[in-house]
This record gives sequence, C-alpha cells and structure tokens, in this order.
Amino acid sequence: EDQVTQSPEALRLQEGESSSLNCSYTVSGLRGLFWYRQDPGKGPEFLFTLYSAGEEKEKERLKATLTKKESFLHITAPKPEDSATYLCAVQAPGNTGKLIFGQGTTLQVKP
Amino acid sequence: DTAVSQTPKYLVTQMGNDKSIKCEQNLGHDTMYWYKQDSKKFLKIMFSYNNKELIINETVPNRFSPKSPDKAHLNLHINSLELGDSAVYFCASSPDWGTGAYNEQFFGPGTRLTVL
Repeated sequence: EDQVTQSPEALRLQEGESSSLNCSYTVSGLRGLFWYRQDPGKGPEFLFTLYSAGEEKEKERLKATLTKKESFLHITAPKPEDSATYLCAVQAPGNTGKLIFGQGTTLQVKP
Repeated sequence: DTAVSQTPKYLVTQMGNDKSIKCEQNLGHDTMYWYKQDSKKFLKIMFSYNNKELIINETVPNRFSPKSPDKAHLNLHINSLELGDSAVYFCASSPDWGTGAYNEQFFGPGTRLTVL
C-alpha cells in the first residue's frame, strides 16, 4: 500500500538551531515527492518538488533532499517565522495526479 | 491576485442540512481538487476534475457531489450533513493532472465546516 510517514510529529528548536525533518515513503514508482508548508488557519503552500533520488532543492533556509526511500527537509539556522506544519506528499502511481500526504511535522522555533 | 479562492471560509450548520462550498482559480490550471483535512491535520484527496471531467473519485459518501461548471470552478455540495463531516475542506489546482512531469498543486485558504 502506498503511504507516507513523517517524523518527528512535533519539533521544537531554538532560533539558529539547525535540524532535519524526515519523510519516509512507500510507493510503487515514484512520480514526484512534494513538500508543503502550512500555517495555522491557511492552506498548504507549495515549497519543493523532487523527482529522482539524489536530487536536492533549496529555498532560503530550507533544503530538500531525496533518496529511494525517504526525503529530508533540512532547516538551517531557523527563525521564528519558520514555525509551521511541514507536509510531505508523494504522487500516486497512475495518471490521476493524486497526492498521498503524510501527517505532517509541526515545527516551533523559539527566539 | 492570482490564486485559488474558496467561499465561505467558515460554515456552521445543523445535522441534516445541505450546504455548498465554492472554489475558483485564476491560475489558468486545467485540474482542480477537493481535499478533506481532519482534526489531526491529515490531508486526504476526495475528488479531482480535469477540464470539467471527473478524474479522481475516492471512497467518499454519495452525499458529497462535486460540480465543475468550467475548468476555473469546482464546487462541492454536501447533502444531509453529519457530525463526522466536520473538517476543513481545501480546494487545489494544478497545471497538469499527472500525465506530465509537473503536478505542483496550489491550495486555497480552506473552508472550516462545523456540523452541530
């Protein structure tokens, strides 16, 4: 069964304390792995798409990496404004565009 | 502003009522989606439409019926609302529907439905 598992469920960091979020996936034939950020009371905001193992993408303090079994979202020197829930999703096999989401990691960065 | 918009943002109603949520996107995308996010923030696909054609219809009760009058709009009608329908419903759109390499989905702000 295709599934996505994110860890940890919650993460508290001090400002400037770098860390990583994990997204493990099981899917037959990865067609894309997506990272989103969701702020309270808002819709998910697209961050990155990764398509093949070894691929990396960066945006400000965030860097996403991909292996054949998992993806990491590295946060370097986080700031309080990076506090949010980070969602990982994989595109299901077949030509439907269906995304399978993990349960998310809620990040809190304290000043 | 180019975006995905939804109305209403909040919807409070009694069990048994019928309600609709509207979604519009001005991104020029061909595909639109409805997702349900439960209290644990788990986001699950319900439906998708590509250029007014139904593509995805997950295991969703028949009380939920999507309607796409054109490719920029996708509405969700819910009949005989139940307590378990309380959740946040998100509309999303994407340029493609999975056949191509790029399927980034862009989400609306959500509609928080509370059934009393």
